[in-house]
Amino acid sequence: GESVGLHLPTLSVQEGDNSIINCAYSNSASDYFIWYKQESGKGPQFIIDIRSNMDKRQGQRVTVLLNKTVKHLSLQIAATQPGDSAVYFCAENSGNTPLVFGKGTRLSVIA
Amino acid sequence: DAGVTQSPTHLIKTRGQQVTLRCSPKSGHDTVSWYQQALGQGPQFIFQYYEEEERQRGNFPDRFSGHQFPNYSSELNVNALLLGDSALYLCASSFDGSNEKLFFGSGTQLSVL
Repeated sequence: GESVGLHLPTLSVQEGDNSIINCAYSNSASDYFIWYKQESGKGPQFIIDIRSNMDKRQGQRVTVLLNKTVKHLSLQIAATQPGDSAVYFCAENSGNTPLVFGKGTRLSVIA
Repeated sequence: DAGVTQSPTHLIKTRGQQVTLRCSPKSGHDTVSWYQQALGQGPQFIFQYYEEEERQRGNFPDRFSGHQFPNYSSELNVNALLLGDSALYLCASSFDGSNEKLFFGSGTQLSVL
Protein backbone atom coordinates (compact mmCIF):
# COMPACT_ATOMS: atom_id res chain seq x y z
CA GLY A 1 0.00 0.00 0.00
CA GLU A 2 0.95 3.65 -0.20
CA SER A 3 2.82 5.25 2.64
CA VAL A 4 0.93 8.52 2.20
CA GLY A 5 -2.85 8.79 2.14
CA LEU A 6 -5.72 11.12 2.80
CA HIS A 7 -8.58 10.91 5.26
CA LEU A 8 -11.27 12.25 2.91
CA PRO A 9 -11.47 11.80 -0.85
CA THR A 10 -13.83 14.77 -1.37
CA LEU A 11 -14.40 18.06 0.43
CA SER A 12 -17.05 20.68 -0.29
CA VAL A 13 -16.80 24.16 1.23
CA GLN A 14 -18.68 27.41 0.87
CA GLU A 15 -16.89 30.24 -0.88
CA GLY A 16 -15.22 32.42 1.73
CA ASP A 17 -14.92 29.67 4.32
CA ASN A 18 -11.63 28.10 5.35
CA SER A 19 -10.71 24.67 4.00
CA ILE A 20 -8.70 22.01 5.77
CA ILE A 21 -7.31 19.09 3.82
CA ASN A 22 -5.74 16.27 5.79
CA CYS A 23 -3.04 13.75 5.03
CA ALA A 24 -1.60 10.83 7.01
CA TYR A 25 1.77 9.30 6.41
CA SER A 26 3.29 6.10 7.73
CA ASN A 27 7.04 6.55 7.25
CA SER A 28 8.42 8.00 10.48
CA ALA A 29 11.69 8.69 8.66
CA SER A 30 10.00 11.14 6.27
CA ASP A 31 11.67 14.52 6.55
CA TYR A 32 10.15 16.53 3.71
CA PHE A 33 6.50 17.13 2.88
CA ILE A 34 4.85 19.02 0.06
CA TRP A 35 1.38 19.95 -1.15
CA TYR A 36 0.35 20.15 -4.78
CA LYS A 37 -2.81 21.40 -6.47
CA GLN A 38 -3.93 19.75 -9.69
CA GLU A 39 -6.60 21.29 -11.84
CA SER A 40 -8.36 19.33 -14.54
CA GLY A 41 -6.13 18.77 -17.57
CA LYS A 42 -3.06 20.21 -15.89
CA GLY A 43 -0.04 18.92 -14.03
CA PRO A 44 0.41 19.29 -10.27
CA GLN A 45 1.22 22.83 -9.16
CA PHE A 46 3.42 23.46 -6.13
CA ILE A 47 1.60 25.07 -3.20
CA ILE A 48 3.81 24.85 -0.14
CA ASP A 49 6.38 22.57 1.48
CA ILE A 50 7.69 21.93 4.97
CA ARG A 51 10.59 20.08 6.54
CA SER A 52 10.33 17.84 9.55
CA ASN A 53 12.18 20.33 11.78
CA MET A 54 9.18 22.65 11.52
CA ASP A 55 5.57 22.19 12.60
CA LYS A 56 3.98 25.10 10.74
CA ARG A 57 4.65 27.11 7.65
CA GLN A 58 2.57 29.86 6.08
CA GLY A 59 2.23 31.05 2.54
CA GLN A 60 -0.20 33.27 0.76
CA ARG A 61 -3.64 32.18 2.06
CA VAL A 62 -2.25 28.73 2.84
CA THR A 63 -0.80 27.15 5.96
CA VAL A 64 0.72 23.71 6.32
CA LEU A 65 0.75 22.02 9.71
CA LEU A 66 2.91 19.02 10.52
CA ASN A 67 2.33 16.78 13.53
CA LYS A 68 5.16 14.26 13.63
CA THR A 69 3.84 12.59 16.75
CA VAL A 70 0.77 11.26 14.95
CA LYS A 71 2.29 11.44 11.45
CA HIS A 72 -0.29 13.88 10.18
CA LEU A 73 -0.09 16.74 7.71
CA SER A 74 -2.75 19.30 6.90
CA LEU A 75 -3.24 22.11 4.41
CA GLN A 76 -5.38 25.04 5.43
CA ILE A 77 -6.72 27.41 2.79
CA ALA A 78 -8.10 30.70 4.06
CA ALA A 79 -11.11 32.38 2.45
CA THR A 80 -11.57 29.63 -0.12
CA GLN A 81 -12.30 30.87 -3.63
CA PRO A 82 -13.84 29.14 -6.68
CA GLY A 83 -10.37 29.04 -8.23
CA ASP A 84 -9.25 26.79 -5.40
CA SER A 85 -11.43 23.97 -6.73
CA ALA A 86 -9.01 21.19 -7.68
CA VAL A 87 -7.51 17.93 -6.46
CA TYR A 88 -4.95 18.38 -3.71
CA PHE A 89 -2.10 15.92 -3.18
CA CYS A 90 0.29 15.59 -0.32
CA ALA A 91 3.64 13.93 -0.93
CA GLU A 92 6.62 13.02 1.20
CA ASN A 93 10.13 11.73 1.04
CA SER A 94 13.15 11.06 3.21
CA GLY A 95 16.75 11.73 2.38
CA ASN A 96 16.04 12.74 -1.24
CA THR A 97 14.22 9.56 -2.14
CA PRO A 98 11.55 10.04 -4.81
CA LEU A 99 8.39 11.79 -3.70
CA VAL A 100 5.56 9.45 -2.72
CA PHE A 101 2.13 10.87 -3.44
CA GLY A 102 -1.18 10.16 -1.77
CA LYS A 103 -4.37 9.52 -3.74
CA GLY A 104 -5.60 13.10 -3.45
CA THR A 105 -8.59 15.04 -2.12
CA ARG A 106 -11.02 16.77 -4.44
CA LEU A 107 -11.96 20.22 -3.15
CA SER A 108 -15.20 21.70 -4.47
CA VAL A 109 -16.02 25.32 -3.68
CA ILE A 110 -19.70 26.17 -3.55
CA ALA A 111 -20.46 29.73 -4.66
CA ASP B 1 10.66 32.11 -17.99
CA ALA B 2 9.48 28.89 -19.60
CA GLY B 3 8.11 26.24 -17.31
CA VAL B 4 8.25 22.51 -17.91
CA THR B 5 7.04 21.66 -21.41
CA GLN B 6 5.90 18.24 -22.60
CA SER B 7 4.98 16.88 -25.98
CA PRO B 8 2.74 15.61 -27.32
CA THR B 9 -0.25 16.53 -25.16
CA HIS B 10 -2.27 13.52 -26.25
CA LEU B 11 -1.36 10.25 -27.91
CA ILE B 12 -3.29 7.17 -28.98
CA LYS B 13 -1.47 3.89 -29.55
CA THR B 14 -2.39 0.24 -29.90
CA ARG B 15 -1.16 -2.67 -27.82
CA GLY B 16 2.36 -3.78 -28.66
CA GLN B 17 3.41 -0.47 -30.12
CA GLN B 18 6.19 1.73 -28.82
CA VAL B 19 5.91 5.37 -27.73
CA THR B 20 8.31 8.25 -27.03
CA LEU B 21 7.35 11.19 -24.86
CA ARG B 22 9.42 14.36 -24.60
CA CYS B 23 10.10 16.88 -21.87
CA SER B 24 12.01 20.13 -21.54
CA PRO B 25 12.75 21.19 -17.97
CA LYS B 26 12.10 24.58 -16.45
CA SER B 27 14.78 27.14 -17.24
CA GLY B 28 17.66 26.74 -14.79
CA HIS B 29 16.81 23.13 -13.91
CA ASP B 30 19.02 20.19 -14.82
CA THR B 31 17.12 17.22 -13.40
CA VAL B 32 14.10 15.50 -14.90
CA SER B 33 11.80 13.02 -13.18
CA TRP B 34 9.01 11.09 -14.85
CA TYR B 35 5.78 10.08 -13.15
CA GLN B 36 2.80 8.01 -14.26
CA GLN B 37 -0.63 9.10 -13.07
CA ALA B 38 -3.53 6.69 -13.53
CA LEU B 39 -7.05 8.10 -13.49
CA GLY B 40 -8.10 9.02 -9.96
CA GLN B 41 -4.69 8.26 -8.48
CA GLY B 42 -1.67 10.21 -7.36
CA PRO B 43 1.45 10.31 -9.53
CA GLN B 44 3.81 7.32 -9.27
CA PHE B 45 7.55 7.73 -9.75
CA ILE B 46 9.06 6.06 -12.80
CA PHE B 47 12.66 7.33 -12.86
CA GLN B 48 14.88 10.37 -12.54
CA TYR B 49 17.59 11.61 -14.90
CA TYR B 50 20.45 13.80 -13.79
CA GLU B 51 23.75 14.40 -15.56
CA GLU B 52 22.45 12.29 -18.46
CA GLU B 53 22.17 9.19 -16.28
CA GLU B 54 19.26 7.36 -14.67
CA ARG B 55 19.81 8.06 -10.98
CA GLN B 56 16.73 6.60 -9.34
CA ARG B 57 14.09 4.20 -10.54
CA GLY B 58 10.66 3.25 -9.28
CA ASN B 59 8.86 -0.06 -9.56
CA PHE B 60 8.37 -0.09 -13.32
CA PRO B 61 9.40 -2.82 -15.77
CA ASP B 62 12.27 -2.54 -18.22
CA ARG B 63 9.77 -1.68 -20.95
CA PHE B 64 10.05 1.81 -19.54
CA SER B 65 13.30 3.50 -20.45
CA GLY B 66 14.54 7.01 -20.80
CA HIS B 67 17.24 9.34 -21.86
CA GLN B 68 18.53 12.77 -20.95
CA PHE B 69 20.27 15.00 -23.45
CA PRO B 70 23.10 17.49 -22.86
CA ASN B 71 20.57 20.34 -22.90
CA TYR B 72 18.80 18.61 -19.96
CA SER B 73 15.72 17.67 -21.97
CA SER B 74 14.52 14.12 -21.60
CA GLU B 75 12.59 11.36 -23.33
CA LEU B 76 10.50 8.57 -21.89
CA ASN B 77 10.17 5.45 -24.03
CA VAL B 78 7.67 2.68 -23.45
CA ASN B 79 7.94 -0.53 -25.48
CA ALA B 80 5.38 -3.27 -26.04
CA LEU B 81 2.52 -1.13 -24.82
CA LEU B 82 -0.16 -2.71 -22.67
CA LEU B 83 -3.70 -1.48 -22.05
CA GLY B 84 -2.65 -0.76 -18.47
CA ASP B 85 -0.07 1.76 -19.66
CA SER B 86 -2.91 4.17 -20.41
CA ALA B 87 -2.31 7.12 -18.10
CA LEU B 88 -1.15 10.70 -17.81
CA TYR B 89 2.64 10.83 -17.99
CA LEU B 90 4.09 13.73 -16.08
CA CYS B 91 7.52 15.22 -16.33
CA ALA B 92 8.91 17.18 -13.39
CA SER B 93 12.08 19.20 -13.19
CA SER B 94 14.35 20.26 -10.36
CA PHE B 95 17.92 21.25 -9.73
CA ASP B 96 21.00 19.25 -8.82
CA GLY B 97 19.32 15.85 -8.54
CA SER B 98 16.85 17.06 -5.96
CA ASN B 99 13.48 15.43 -5.29
CA GLU B 100 12.20 18.53 -3.51
CA LYS B 101 9.90 21.22 -4.88
CA LEU B 102 9.45 19.52 -8.25
CA PHE B 103 7.92 21.61 -11.00
CA PHE B 104 5.55 19.61 -13.20
CA GLY B 105 4.53 19.92 -16.80
CA SER B 106 0.94 19.47 -17.97
CA GLY B 107 1.61 15.90 -18.99
CA THR B 108 1.03 13.65 -21.97
CA GLN B 109 -2.23 11.72 -21.94
CA LEU B 110 -1.50 8.28 -23.41
CA SER B 111 -4.35 6.02 -24.44
CA VAL B 112 -3.55 2.43 -25.41
CA LEU B 113 -6.29 0.66 -27.38
